[in-house]
Amino acid sequence: GEDVEQSLFLSVREGDSSVINCTYTDSSSTYLYWYKQEPGAGLQLLTYIFSNMDMKQDQRLTVLLNKKDKHLSLRIADTQTGDSAIYFCAETPWNQGGKLIFGQGTELSVKP
Amino acid sequence: ETGVTQTPRHLVMGMTNKKSLKCEQHLGHNAMYWYKQSAKKPLELMFVYSLEERVENNSVPSRFSPECPNSSHLFLHLHTLQPEDSALYLCASSPASGRGNEQFFGPGTRLTVL
Repeated sequence: GEDVEQSLFLSVREGDSSVINCTYTDSSSTYLYWYKQEPGAGLQLLTYIFSNMDMKQDQRLTVLLNKKDKHLSLRIADTQTGDSAIYFCAETPWNQGGKLIFGQGTELSVKP
Repeated sequence: ETGVTQTPRHLVMGMTNKKSLKCEQHLGHNAMYWYKQSAKKPLELMFVYSLEERVENNSVPSRFSPECPNSSHLFLHLHTLQPEDSALYLCASSPASGRGNEQFFGPGTRLTVL
């Protein structure tokens, strides 16, 4: 089946690292994505990881993939108030074309 | 700016009204999508168009009618909606409709059905 789960809220202090977690059920997913949604805006692709990778780093963002546990995480180093947003994890099952299956989103609140 | 625009940004309509949502992409993409985002629920894919042909319809009620006249424009025609249809409707586009194609999202239309 297809199901992507995330915790709904995360609160951190400015300058700390944030870790947003996601679990997915379809082991056939070839691409896994992290999207960011700021208030009043659409979704912006932050980063993605291909299923044959364990880790991907892009500036302050680090994505870790544990295929065995079907667990994906997004680490934001030196979190800033501008990082406050909702973060969505998404998977693409191999047999469904480009269909994205999204989690409910994690609302990240960064306190000064 | 992602290159995907949506109008209107906000819409309030009664249950007997007919309205349309418009999406336009300036990226030269061949695939376009409609998603529904309700509070505290995952995004729901509604429709997928590839090269102006509908390739997916996710069991969406017939009161939602999509139209894709060309690869740059996508409409969602609304007729006799219900209050539970109130949501943020997001349009997206991608180079093609297959796996690994990054989807670029518009800002959405916030729809309220009274």
